[in-house]
Amino acid sequence: IAGITQAPTSQILAAGRRMTLRCTQDMRHNAMYWYRQDLGLGLRLIHYSNTAGTTGKGEVPDGYSVSRANTDDFPLTLASAVPSQTSVYFCASSDGTSGAGSDTQYFGPGTRLTVL
Amino acid sequence: GQNIDQPTEMTATEGAIVQINCTYQTSGFNGLFWYQQHAGEAPTFLSYNVLDGLEEKGRFSSFLSRSKGYSYLLLKELQMKDSASYLCAVRDSNYQLIWGAGTKLIIKP
Repeated sequence: IAGITQAPTSQILAAGRRMTLRCTQDMRHNAMYWYRQDLGLGLRLIHYSNTAGTTGKGEVPDGYSVSRANTDDFPLTLASAVPSQTSVYFCASSDGTSGAGSDTQYFGPGTRLTVL
Repeated sequence: GQNIDQPTEMTATEGAIVQINCTYQTSGFNGLFWYQQHAGEAPTFLSYNVLDGLEEKGRFSSFLSRSKGYSYLLLKELQMKDSASYLCAVRDSNYQLIWGAGTKLIIKP
């Protein structure tokens, strides 16, 4: 594979259930990100990781958790899903060398999640 | 607060030129990005500006004025495949991207 993959592509989930969205990149990028995209709003950062073993909170972290055990994987977990978490979720990665060029973020195909 | 403003929707004709504007108010500035997003797909990188002026890349050009908090994306020789949303994003002082809601561009034959 080349780039970023996400799984599942889409999911319908009952409220209160636990769900993990998977994200894997093979570009050896240091930094990874989780965004949600809702109609009429810009992408909003949920959590990020500048390097394996570290994570940070973004703009909308409540109800979500992440881990970064290695360079390639960055799963996002919803501990107890609520309907307001219905959204399209994008994982992204970048080289992560701040101050050196654009540090462009590259996006996975997204996961469309519906919480009922 | 931080804010990125861009028009919600624009319509243009195949073969023509269109300019999509973006104004921003952010805590710090470490570069501005334009992405293209087709319906149901992921955003894909188009351009990056960190210094004032025009960056040209084929049919697409992007302009930045840091003093005015303003950028535009210029698309020339429009093709039907250019129908998409165009997202403006600014990297702030925390080195995080702040995103606009996107401009949906409709191309008519």
